[in-house]
Amino acid sequence: AQKVTQAQTEISVVEKEDVTLDCVYETRDTTYYLFWYKQPPSGELVFLIRRNSFDEQNEISGRYSWNFQKSTSSFNFTITASQVVDSAVYFCALSEASTGNQFYFGTGTSLTVIP
Amino acid sequence: ETGVTQSPTHLIKTRGQQVTLRCSSQSGHNTVSWYQQALGQGPQFIFQYYREEENGRGNFPPRFSGLQFPNYSSELNVNALELDDSALYLCASTSRRFEDSTDTQYFGPGTRLTVL
Repeated sequence: AQKVTQAQTEISVVEKEDVTLDCVYETRDTTYYLFWYKQPPSGELVFLIRRNSFDEQNEISGRYSWNFQKSTSSFNFTITASQVVDSAVYFCALSEASTGNQFYFGTGTSLTVIP
Repeated sequence: ETGVTQSPTHLIKTRGQQVTLRCSSQSGHNTVSWYQQALGQGPQFIFQYYREEENGRGNFPPRFSGLQFPNYSSELNVNALELDDSALYLCASTSRRFEDSTDTQYFGPGTRLTVL
């Protein structure tokens, strides 16, 4: 079973629009960590955020914000006022305390921001 | 930039051959993980090395093996290459404080392997 599901395969938005990328995870651990990474065409995965299961406080960093809801096992990522430079593939990942060394990635969401 | 480097950038091999990919971790990081990313997919965990020993393995056959050196750099070796091994191979490093801790992994640019 897929531990991390990113149902949106591709999204296109016009510059300055807001966009939300969905992430749903599955785990039986009570201690786990969630991550978002950005992968531009160059291929390198760029770390964006890490969240532990005990901290449900939403976070905002500039134009980026994250909504963590344990009740629905979701960790969604919103980009406000999107820019062309935001075009990339975005991955959500899960790491469980019981298998702390292994990251489980979703299949990614390809975001295209049209100028 | 993360400070994680990988070599080579691209590689072309034929089926049945063997390949070695290299990774230098970020300064101060003692743990290296390897991932395979097929086209259009998310990265899949291969294995992790901590203190020069394998410390966790994903669902990959034994022909995928690795090493970690005293300077924390690492190698991924793949024997008897198959066409399905064609992928982007990513290395990630982290500074593990405790054996069972989970810390953010920082990724290198990857090695694109093509098997013909």
